[in-house]
Amino acid sequence: NAGVTQTPKFQVLKTGQSMTLQCAQDMNHEYMSWYRQDPGMGLRLIHYSVGAGITDQGEVPNGYNVSRSTTEDFPLRLLSAAPSQTSVYFCASSTYGQGGYGYTFGSGTRLTVV
Amino acid sequence: GQQVMQIPQYQHVQEGEDFTTYCNSSTTLSNIQWYKQRPGGHPVFLIQLVKSGEVKKQKRLTFQFGEAKKNSSLHITATQTTDVGTYFCAAGSGNTPLVFGKGTRLSVIA
Repeated sequence: NAGVTQTPKFQVLKTGQSMTLQCAQDMNHEYMSWYRQDPGMGLRLIHYSVGAGITDQGEVPNGYNVSRSTTEDFPLRLLSAAPSQTSVYFCASSTYGQGGYGYTFGSGTRLTVV
Repeated sequence: GQQVMQIPQYQHVQEGEDFTTYCNSSTTLSNIQWYKQRPGGHPVFLIQLVKSGEVKKQKRLTFQFGEAKKNSSLHITATQTTDVGTYFCAAGSGNTPLVFGKGTRLSVIA
């Protein structure tokens, strides 16, 4: 089992550029989510999805879009990158929203916006 | 929205000393989970507590859920260098996504 796969692992963007962070899971988990992690701020929820075709905003959704066309994939799009979006991004999945058996996290994408 | 406060933010211990991190919520929780993140790594699920007053052990780690289901603690006995990392609690309430605390970063001095 690959678990949760995130690509790319590292990315440098220029201000104003757009890009998509990929997240795929092979565990047939209904629930998927995106977090960003900044020093001293813990993990903050960006967007989440409880199933294909359903998405919702988390704590810090501005500047990000998501879609969930399949159970397996949950890409995160940065529309116009800003230096404030420099962060480590984690995708996580679980059997349902409260993480009944714990969230499985991907290895992260380290994004720098210059 | 719901918040969970986690203390301390940092803890430096000598190898062999004990370590405890605390997680507090102002509201009653459905469950609480604990995660460990090694430096440069990603969070890894450790355990979930659901019942009031629940205590669970994993080798040198002891997890407790308060009687009122508003607080929790993680205690590590006789820390080792392999315990280094950041420990997060994550609170579940109703059908909303988990809310993570800011974590406690543990350093172990050999």
